[in-house]
Amino acid sequence: QKEVEQNSGPLSVPEGAIASLNCTYSDRVSQSFFWYRQYSGKSPELIMSIYSNGDKEDGRFTAQLNKASQYVSLLIRDSQPSDSATYLCAVIYSGGSNYKLTFGKGTLLTVNP
Amino acid sequence: DTGVSQDPRHKITKRGQNVTFRCDPISEHNRLYWYRQTLGQGPEFLTYFQNEAQLEKSRLLSDRFSAERPKGSFSTLEIQRTEQGDSAMYLCASSPSTGYGYTFGSGTRLTVV
Repeated sequence: QKEVEQNSGPLSVPEGAIASLNCTYSDRVSQSFFWYRQYSGKSPELIMSIYSNGDKEDGRFTAQLNKASQYVSLLIRDSQPSDSATYLCAVIYSGGSNYKLTFGKGTLLTVNP
Repeated sequence: DTGVSQDPRHKITKRGQNVTFRCDPISEHNRLYWYRQTLGQGPEFLTYFQNEAQLEKSRLLSDRFSAERPKGSFSTLEIQRTEQGDSAMYLCASSPSTGYGYTFGSGTRLTVV
């Protein structure tokens, strides 16, 4: 059973702080990693993708991937109240179904003004 | 066509009734996916189409569920003899044949009473 694990939270940070969201996955041969943001009652929205070890930065967001530790994280700098949402980690595993996203349960982030 | 469209947005039905949902993907995307999301969980994969061919069905998709994608364009998901456990958000997504650029639709929220 291939799994993606996230702390369900809630994670609460003050406005302007760095929010750190973590995710572990079970299959060493995973190839692609994604972070989605989901506002309450809305559909997931892709915010970051990462495919190789290291950091990838996009504006206030940084994704970090460590394949040896089977760990992917998302940092949100200068957190804003509008960042309050559930953040879903998703993985595409290599092999026959290399199109299928496997999601974690998500971490609820609250940014307090 | 700037996104994935799903219809209806909300559906309330009585237990035992049949329901059908529609998804219109981004026109140039040949891959189409259905996911189901219940409260507090990440989306779970249901089925995948490449053009008009249904290439994978999850074990979550019981015999009461059927999906089609005639002519490789829009897709429908039908649930027969609905049960209360079918209450969930049903998400459709599409992507191009290369890369992993999933775009989700707004979802159809099903409530079975």
